[in-house]
Amino acid sequence: GAGVSQSPSNKVTEKGKDVELRCDPISGHTALYWYRQSLGQGLEFLIYFQGNSAPDKSGLPSDRFSAERTGGSVSTLTIQRTQQEDSAVYLCASSPLSYGYTFGSGTRLTVV
Amino acid sequence: AQSVSQHNHHVILSEAASLELGCNYSYGGTVNLFWYVQYPGQHLQLLLKYFSGDPLVKGIKGFEAEFIKSKFSFNLRKPSVQWSDTAEYFCAVKAAGSGSARQLTFGSGTQLTVLP
Repeated sequence: GAGVSQSPSNKVTEKGKDVELRCDPISGHTALYWYRQSLGQGLEFLIYFQGNSAPDKSGLPSDRFSAERTGGSVSTLTIQRTQQEDSAVYLCASSPLSYGYTFGSGTRLTVV
Repeated sequence: AQSVSQHNHHVILSEAASLELGCNYSYGGTVNLFWYVQYPGQHLQLLLKYFSGDPLVKGIKGFEAEFIKSKFSFNLRKPSVQWSDTAEYFCAVKAAGSGSARQLTFGSGTQLTVLP
């Protein structure tokens, strides 16, 4: 597609439930990033994937968070046993080898 | 690790006023610097970036930024703002080198409100 696609755009879930957030990067982009944007905060790096290399998970806030990228394309961010502090906008971005980040519109997650 | 500070959390200007948003970073090595904008209800978009060369970079929509290495700053400027510039602005830094496979570190953002 022309841009980075994220789904769902909005997700309301009950505390303790698991959620999956999806990101479809731009075709051909080798790098994929997940960020979290909380109200009044900047963007917090979560994880990135680069080609077939092991992902950099250094930004994941807890072991309840995990992500995978299948076939070097689609990525899924999973949050297990959601907590209210997980409420945020989760942003995905992709880029080719040379710099060129393109962000998706994000998934707004609300944990009630 | 790098960090970015945006000291102005909310700026309110009248149309035609000049704009300068501050951005300071902390990193001991060579950096790439960026400004992103997020208009209401839209996704983050790149305004401009600095990699090397002329420290005064020009971006879209009349924005420019100046990299001052000695001050670790990359302030965003626009001579005359418009109501349509109302948005949130994020400064970001990336350690240079190793291609794109280094994540951006973002500042906390500055909300700009331009009054008509």
